[in-house]
Parts: sequence; structure tokens; C-alpha cells
Amino acid sequence: DIVMTQSPDSLAVSLGERATVNCKSSQSLLSRSNNKNYLAWFQQKPRQPPKLLIYWASTRESGVPDRFSGSGSGTDFTLTISGLQAEDVAVYYCQQYYSAPITFGGGTKVEIK
Amino acid sequence: EVQLVESGGGLVQPGGSLRLSCVGSGFTFSGYWMNWVRQAPGKGLEWVANIKQDGSEKYYVDSVRGRFSISRDNAENSLHLQMDSLRVEDTAVYYCAGGSGWVIDRWGQGTLVTVSS
Repeated sequence: DIVMTQSPDSLAVSLGERATVNCKSSQSLLSRSNNKNYLAWFQQKPRQPPKLLIYWASTRESGVPDRFSGSGSGTDFTLTISGLQAEDVAVYYCQQYYSAPITFGGGTKVEIK
Repeated sequence: EVQLVESGGGLVQPGGSLRLSCVGSGFTFSGYWMNWVRQAPGKGLEWVANIKQDGSEKYYVDSVRGRFSISRDNAENSLHLQMDSLRVEDTAVYYCAGGSGWVIDRWGQGTLVTVSS
């Protein structure tokens, strides 16, 4: 199974500042056949289901604000929130869909400083 | 509006069985891979199982293989999860979720399963 490791477990960022969440996979998520990374990012607010933010490591889902961006390739990935807003307080999860079983990272809680 | 609505959760004793259902609307259900993802109280997300559009492929996380069975009825726009030999550690909110390919872009609100004596 591919193990997904997120860091940090939590972080507090001032409004308007940048938040960075890291995700590392135990094996490469880059497919040689299509040159795509099978990595997604989700946002989950309390008492709500997760919401897809980013897929293919860097493609923003329709309707997601452009302050959310994803980067990285292979085994190391980053979710960046440029200019944190109050409504961004949530837990963020990375997820690999390269191979079964699909696996999630442990989550990173983002709060306002 | 895309909707996924789960049902069937509840309290069950260890060793018991439960069948979860999910009905989709607002999209072409038969065109999507469908998944069950669970979240234990206060914990992170755990993918449980998925099933291909025509039901020809199914995958499970090791911890439920042999005890849980995923199925779908495209004529009824429904997804099911038959859960047998339930354990205390299966206690969680179970989400029905779908996507084109394995990118999960639509989620239900979840149904709570509690396994306790």
C-alpha cells in the first residue's frame, strides 16, 4: 500500500498570509504513460464531507478559488493557500489514486493565528 | 444539483451486519466510479472500497476485504455496502462518493455506523 505522510499536523497562519501543507508518498505517483501525478487535495470543514480542491497534483477543481494551488511531482507535493481567508479554516487531506487501495494522508489542521 | 444521499446507518452489535445504501441524482450515475469512504469519530479519512461503472471491477481496503461487499444498481442509481462481521473499529461515518476515474469529486453527507455492545 502507498503510505501518505502529511506535515505539519497543524499550523496557524495570520489572515492574508500564506499557508503551506506538505505531503509525501511512499512511492512515486507519477505515471510514465501519461506524465500525470495521481494526487488530490481535499478540504474538510467541521460536520461537512470533504471537498475536492486539486487533482492531478496541480489542477484546480471548478469553482475553487485561485488562492489554492498544488505543486510537486513524484513523491513530494505541496498545497499552498496564498492569502489565507477565515473561511479556509479546515482540515486538509492529500490522497493518492495511483493504485488500490486509495490512501489518504493523516490531515493537516489549518487555523487562524 | 448533484446529490448523493446515504441511508442504513445505525447501532449494531459486534459480529452483526448492516447494509448501507446511497442514491445519486443530478448526474449520470452509471458513468461514475463509486466509492465508500469512512471517518472514525475525530479521525481522518479512510477509503473503504470502490466499484467501476459497470460493476466489473471492485477494490477493497485490506481491513474490510472478505467482510464487506460493494455493489451498485445503475437502473436505480444506487450504491450499496453490505457489511458483515462488524467490529468495534468499523465505527465511523460512511460517505458515499463518486468521480470520473478515481478522482473523487462528489460526496454525500454521510451515515453514522456505530458498532457497540
